[in-house]
Amino acid sequence: ELKVEQNPLFLSMQEGKNYTIYCNYSTTSDRLYWYRQDPGKSLESLFVLLSNGAVKQEGRLMASLDTKARLSTLHITAAVHDLSATYFCAFDSGGSNYKLTFGKGTLLTVNP
Amino acid sequence: NAGVTQTPKFQVLKTGQSMTLQCAQDMNHEYMSWYRQDPGMGLRLIHYSVGAGITDQGEVPNGYNVSRSTTEDFPLRLLSAAPSQTSVYFCASRPMRTGELFFGEGSRLTVL
Repeated sequence: ELKVEQNPLFLSMQEGKNYTIYCNYSTTSDRLYWYRQDPGKSLESLFVLLSNGAVKQEGRLMASLDTKARLSTLHITAAVHDLSATYFCAFDSGGSNYKLTFGKGTLLTVNP
Repeated sequence: NAGVTQTPKFQVLKTGQSMTLQCAQDMNHEYMSWYRQDPGMGLRLIHYSVGAGITDQGEVPNGYNVSRSTTEDFPLRLLSAAPSQTSVYFCASRPMRTGELFFGEGSRLTVL
């Protein structure tokens, strides 16, 4: 069974602090995706990581992928209130079905 | 730039009623899928399709039917709605071999 484990599931931060969200997945994959969802809204693509060692950055968010460890991280630098949202990782199981399996999401709240 | 369009956005059904959630994409993506999102459960795959005339089951297919007669459309049918199907439903599409999923805005379904 394909599994994706995100932690933490809930994260309350103060503005200006740094933190990391972790995403472990259960089978070999070299394609990992991060999404953001605001309350009541759809999912917005943040990062696409397509190879081992891939690192991508956008503003205060940086995502990385270690396929050998089956681990992806989303690092938040100097958090601001606008980053408050739910963040999902998903991995591509490849093969002939191209399904994406999602983690349960991390609800991030950034407090002033 | 319509992307992925879902209708309706909101629907209330009584137990036992049937309905169809519509999904259309204008990006010529081969792959289309339906997810349901429930609190604390992340996104779970219901059905997916890798091209016209080809569909397959995801993680939670029971109680739902799909068909794919064209590349653009991928409707989701609830044959006899149950309260357990109360959820937010997302349709998503992607290019076949690479790239992230593009999501519709979601359809919020309540079954009484």
